[in-house]
Amino acid sequence: QVQLVQSGAEVKKPGASVKVSCKASGYTFTSYYMHWVRQAPGQGLEWMGFIYPSGGSTTYAQKFQGRLTITRDTSTSTVYMELISLRYEDTAVYYCATGNPALDYWGQGTLVTVSS
Amino acid sequence: EIVMTQSPATLSVSPGERATLSCRASQSVSSNLAWYQQKPGQAPRLLIYDASTRATGFPARFSGSGSGTEFTLTISSLQSEDFAVYYCQQYNNWPPLTFGGGTKVEIK
Repeated sequence: QVQLVQSGAEVKKPGASVKVSCKASGYTFTSYYMHWVRQAPGQGLEWMGFIYPSGGSTTYAQKFQGRLTITRDTSTSTVYMELISLRYEDTAVYYCATGNPALDYWGQGTLVTVSS
Repeated sequence: EIVMTQSPATLSVSPGERATLSCRASQSVSSNLAWYQQKPGQAPRLLIYDASTRATGFPARFSGSGSGTEFTLTISSLQSEDFAVYYCQQYNNWPPLTFGGGTKVEIK
């Protein structure tokens, strides 16, 4: 069965960076876009960007241009989301999700807390 | 960017009653619309795709309808496990993928 398993919770200081991983299994990793979606506490869902694992091409939401990098390692079927220059408002649960293009499968989420 | 607007923000319904949730797109998204269910502390779960196709594991009391700019999610007879937040999302004109702000279905 399809599984997306994310890395654990992180606490970072303002200005730092965070890198969250998402390991995929149960399907052909290179065939489907992998998206990142975040959810601030008590708020809705916000799409951040995606990678196409086959060629590694990426697209980011305008809001995150310059701060967000999504990469992949096809040898381990893992996608990484790195966000730099963290601000308090980046405190959120970060999800990876895949689908074509409705998001059929989601990771369990990774809480990133930005706190001094 | 297509803006998705959901109403109402909160819907108070008694178990066994019908719930009707609305989602409006700022421009036509054809039938390229999904609904997600999210329970506290859990990741969202795909409920409906292509505006009206139920995803695996969801019972027939959930139905989606609409096309263009107006969409509806109907839960015909609410069960205790259906109290959650529901989000709509368009994938007709992307990137970006855009979500509505969500409707919380709570117990009346």
